[in-house]
Order: sequence, then structure tokens, then C-alpha cells
Amino acid sequence: QKEVEQNSGPLSVPEGAIASLNCTYSDRGSQSFFWYRQYSGKSPELIMSIYSNGDKEDGRFTAQLNKASQYVSLLIRDSQPSDSATYLCAVNNDMRFGAGTRLTVKP
Amino acid sequence: GAGVSQTPSNKVTEKGKYVELRCDPISGHTALYWYRQSLGQGPEFLIYFQGTGAADDSGLPNDRFFAVRPEGSVSTLKIQRTERGDSAVYLCASSPAGTYGYTFGSGTRLTVV
Repeated sequence: QKEVEQNSGPLSVPEGAIASLNCTYSDRGSQSFFWYRQYSGKSPELIMSIYSNGDKEDGRFTAQLNKASQYVSLLIRDSQPSDSATYLCAVNNDMRFGAGTRLTVKP
Repeated sequence: GAGVSQTPSNKVTEKGKYVELRCDPISGHTALYWYRQSLGQGPEFLIYFQGTGAADDSGLPNDRFFAVRPEGSVSTLKIQRTERGDSAVYLCASSPAGTYGYTFGSGTRLTVV
């Protein structure tokens, strides 16, 4: 069974801090990696995609991919209370999602 | 349409009944996915269509679940003899192809009583 694993949290950070979310995957042949944000009662929303080793930055979000170690992470800089949500990692080859990490940013 | 449309948004049915959930993907998206999500869990993969054919149906939990996409656009998820354990939010997502991120619909909340 191909797996995508995340720390379920909850993760709590103060406003303005860096939030770090991590995800590991089991299929070494995976090529596409995605981070989704899901607010309570809403559907997941794609926020980042990454396909190559290294970092990819988009505004306050940075995705980091290390295929050798089979992990992908999401950093949120200058965290805001509006970032409070569940963050889901997805590995496209599997079409499977992790269980999600619930992030709370405290004012 | 501009987004992925799912109908109905809410469905309450009695145990043992048959239900159909509809998904209308973004125009031109060839890949369509069905997931279900229970409270506090990540989306659970059910089935993936590429065009009209089911490319991967390994997530369907049992033979009470079936999905079709006859013309490569709208898809219907069909659940026979519903059970209380089928209660969840059923999410549909579409993608231009299998290697891009998905756009999700707003989901159908199914409650089996």
C-alpha cells in the first residue's frame, strides 16, 4: 500500500512565526507533489505544487522537496490567523492524500 | 463551467436506499476523481477517470459503489443499499491531466439515517 504520511498535529504557532509542515511518502517513483489547504467545512484548495528537488517559493509559502529522503515540506512565513486550517499533502502518482496537519495561528 | 460543480450539496437518505451523486468537472479537464472524507480525516481516494474510462477504481470500498463517466465529462457516483457508515462528504475533483493539481468541488454531504 503506497502511503502518504503527515503529522496530524495540531500545530500551534504565534502570529508572525514560521509554520513548518512535513510529509513523507513511500513510493520512490513519485513525481508530483501538492499542498492543499482546507478550511473547516470547506473543500481542499490547491496552494502549492512542486516537481523538482529543492525549494519553490510563492509569496509567504515555500515548498521543499527531497526525493532522496522522500519528504516534502511546506513553510509558511509570517503566519497569520487566516492561515489556520488543515494542510493536506498529496502525491500525484498515488492520487492519495495524507491525513492532514491542523494548523492554528494564535494572534 | 468555471469550477467543479457537485449536486446535490446535501443528501439525507434512509439505510438501504440507492443514491446518485453528480459531478460536473471544469470544461476540458480529462481527469476526474472521486474522494470521500470523514470528519477529521484526509480525503480517501475512491476512483479516478481519464476520459470515459476508470483508470483506477481500487479505492471503491465494495461492490455497492459504482461510478460512471459515459461521455468523458459529467460523472455519477452510485451507491446501492446505503449503510450508515457511508455517511461522509463526497468530493469530486478534476484536472487537465493526471499530473496536475486538482480543483475540488464543494462536495456532497451524504447522511444515511
